[in-house]
Amino acid sequence: DAGVTQSPTHLIKTRGQQVTLRCSPKSGHDTVSWYQQALGQGPQFIFQYYEEEERQRGNFPDRFSGHQFPNYSSELNVNALLLGDSALYLCASSLLQGALTNYGYTFGSGTRLTVV
Amino acid sequence: GQQLNQSPQSMFIQEGEDVSMNCTSSSIFNTWLWYKQDPGEGPVLLIALYKAGELTSNGRLTAQFGITRKDSFLNISASIPSDVGIYFCAGPSNSGGSNYKLTFGKGTLLTVNP
Repeated sequence: DAGVTQSPTHLIKTRGQQVTLRCSPKSGHDTVSWYQQALGQGPQFIFQYYEEEERQRGNFPDRFSGHQFPNYSSELNVNALLLGDSALYLCASSLLQGALTNYGYTFGSGTRLTVV
Repeated sequence: GQQLNQSPQSMFIQEGEDVSMNCTSSSIFNTWLWYKQDPGEGPVLLIALYKAGELTSNGRLTAQFGITRKDSFLNISASIPSDVGIYFCAGPSNSGGSNYKLTFGKGTLLTVNP
């Protein structure tokens, strides 16, 4: 049973560019959340998608946007990249019911984004 | 917003020793979660606590939900080399009337010398 898969695993971008990160949730999960983890910090919530809609958003600018597809997979887009966007981007999937009751999130291994 | 303070930031111990780390908050949490993150991986849930005063074990790991609901503790007994990693506490944030997002501490880096 595949867990959460994220692609790519690593990438390097230049300031001002745009990037798209992808996430396939664990089989049977319908909700996808995105987190940013800077070096030496804990993950910070970006936003969550359910039924192809953004349900809740963290303290991130509009340069961060996302999408969820009918098959529950999700994309995270970041425009006008800044050096400070360099981080590990984690995708976590869950069943909405699980998210409400036992916080049964499954995290992927992340995409390491480096902005130069 | 809600913040979680973890201590210590890092620990260096000998194999076989017991480990204790904690997490405090200025606001109340109704659920406390403890995660472990190995290098190059995402966090993995170790223990979930749902009730003030609750003490829960998972193998050599034991965690407690503080009675004030503003703190939690994680203990690891008889540490082994594979316990190496970063341990995070986390709790659901209630902003906007939703429990969907998690707030994480900055983590405790554990190193175990064989």
